[in-house]
Amino acid sequence: KAGVTQTPRYLIKTRGQQVTLSCSPISGHRSVSWYQQTPGQGLQFLFEYFSETQRNKGNFPGRFSGRQFSNSRSEMNVSTLELGDSALYLCASSPRDRGRDEQFFGPGTRLTVL
Amino acid sequence: KNQVEQSPQSLIILEGKNCTLQCNYTVSPFSNLRWYKQDTGRGPVSLTIMTFSENTKSNGRYTATLDADTKQSSLHITASQLSDSASYICVVSGNSGAGSYQLTFGKGTKLSVIP
Repeated sequence: KAGVTQTPRYLIKTRGQQVTLSCSPISGHRSVSWYQQTPGQGLQFLFEYFSETQRNKGNFPGRFSGRQFSNSRSEMNVSTLELGDSALYLCASSPRDRGRDEQFFGPGTRLTVL
Repeated sequence: KNQVEQSPQSLIILEGKNCTLQCNYTVSPFSNLRWYKQDTGRGPVSLTIMTFSENTKSNGRYTATLDADTKQSSLHITASQLSDSASYICVVSGNSGAGSYQLTFGKGTKLSVIP
C-alpha cells in the first residue's frame, strides 16, 4: 500500500504571496490532518478533514484554510504569506479518526517565505 | 489544560548503549498514547500506540511502557544504532466526549547516537 504523499516537497515564496499544498492519503483512509512544524514550537495542529468536512480546527488565523475532495485528497492554502509561515507542513491520514486510529504522516512540504 | 511533557529535551549516547525517554501527561480522559520517531526534515513514523489496558509494547529494539495511574510513559531503546539519531515525539489522545478526540503533542526528545 502506498504511503501518504505530499506535493511539492519544497517551496520558496515571498511575503504576501499565497501557496497551495497537496496531500494524497493512504488508500481507504478518510481522515486527513494538517500540521505545521517549526523548530521552536514542535507540531502544531492546523485542521482535520473527514468526508469533505472540516471536523476539527487548531488555533491558526483565517489565512490558513483547507479542503478535502471526494477521493479524500486534501489541499491546504495559505494566503498573504508572512515570514513566520516558514515551516515544515505535514499531512497525516487515518482510517476514520486521528484521535482514535493510528496516524500515518507524509514526508512534508518545506515552505520557505522570503 | 491537556499537556504532554517530555524529558530530557536532548540526549547524547554512545552507539550500542541503551537509553530511556520519558513522557508525562495530564490528558484526561485518556484514550491512547503514541510514540513517533522523526528523522530531521522528514515526517514522523509511528513506533507504538497503546491504549489504557496495555502497559508495554515493543517494536524491535523499541519498547514503550505506560502507567495510566501515574500518567507516565517511557520509550526504551536497546543497543542503540547511529540510525536511531532522531527526535522522538510522544502524543496523547484524549476522549473529549460525543465520539470526539483531541491529540496533544509533546515537543520531543532529540536523541543523538555517536560512534
